[in-house]
Amino acid sequence: QVTLKESGPVLVKPTETLTLTCTVSGFSFSNTRVGVSWIRQPPGKALEWLAHIFSNDEKSYSTSLKSRLTISKDTSKSQVVLIMTNMDPVDTATYYCARIGLRWGYYDIWGQGTMVTVSS
Amino acid sequence: DMQMTQSPSSLSASVGDRVTITCRASQDISNYLAWYQQKPGKVPKVLIYDASTLQSGVPSRFSGSGSGTDFTLTISSLQPEDVATYYCQKYNSALLTFGGGTKVEIK
Repeated sequence: QVTLKESGPVLVKPTETLTLTCTVSGFSFSNTRVGVSWIRQPPGKALEWLAHIFSNDEKSYSTSLKSRLTISKDTSKSQVVLIMTNMDPVDTATYYCARIGLRWGYYDIWGQGTMVTVSS
Repeated sequence: DMQMTQSPSSLSASVGDRVTITCRASQDISNYLAWYQQKPGKVPKVLIYDASTLQSGVPSRFSGSGSGTDFTLTISSLQPEDVATYYCQKYNSALLTFGGGTKVEIK
C-alpha cells in the first residue's frame, strides 16, 4: 500500500524557517518515473503547487516562491523534505505532499496534509 | 508564468443536471491536464488525466475534453455526493500549476 505522511511544526513565528517532512512507504524512488511534490492550501482557498523532486534528484519550484523554497530527498529514509524560509502569516495553510506515480503528471496519492499556522 | 483559469468560480445546480466546468491555459499545453475533486475537509482525488482519460474507479458521469488551451470537465447528471471543489492542473512541463477551483453546490 502506497502512503505519504507529512510531519512538521504546527506553529511557526513570522520570519522563521519551516521544515516539513514527507515520509513515504510502498514505493521506491528508484523508479525513474516517480516523484513527489509539495502543495499547499490556505484555509478556504485554492491549491497551490510549491515544488517537485524527481527520482533522479532534479527539482522544480514555483516561480513566485522559488527564492524561499528548497526541496530534497533522503532515499535511505524514504523522506522528502521541504524548507521554506522567512515565513509570513499569509503562508498559513495545510501543506500536502503528493506522489506523481508511474504515469507522468498527475497526483495519484496524497498525504493527509499538515496544518501550519504562522503567528507571533 | 503560465496561468490556469477556471470558470465559473462557483455554481449551484439541481440533482440530475448536466454541469460543465471550464479550464483555460494561457499557453498551449496539448492534453497535459488533470482534474481533481476535493470534498469538504478531504484530500484531493484525481478524476481525469491526459484531459480525457477517466481514472480507475471514477463514475462514468464524469468526463473531460479539450486540448491546447481550452478544457472542460462535465458531470452528466449531478449527484449529491458530487458536492465538492474541482481543480484543473497542468503538467506539460515541470511547473505543475493548479487552477483556482470551481465550487459545486446543490440547488
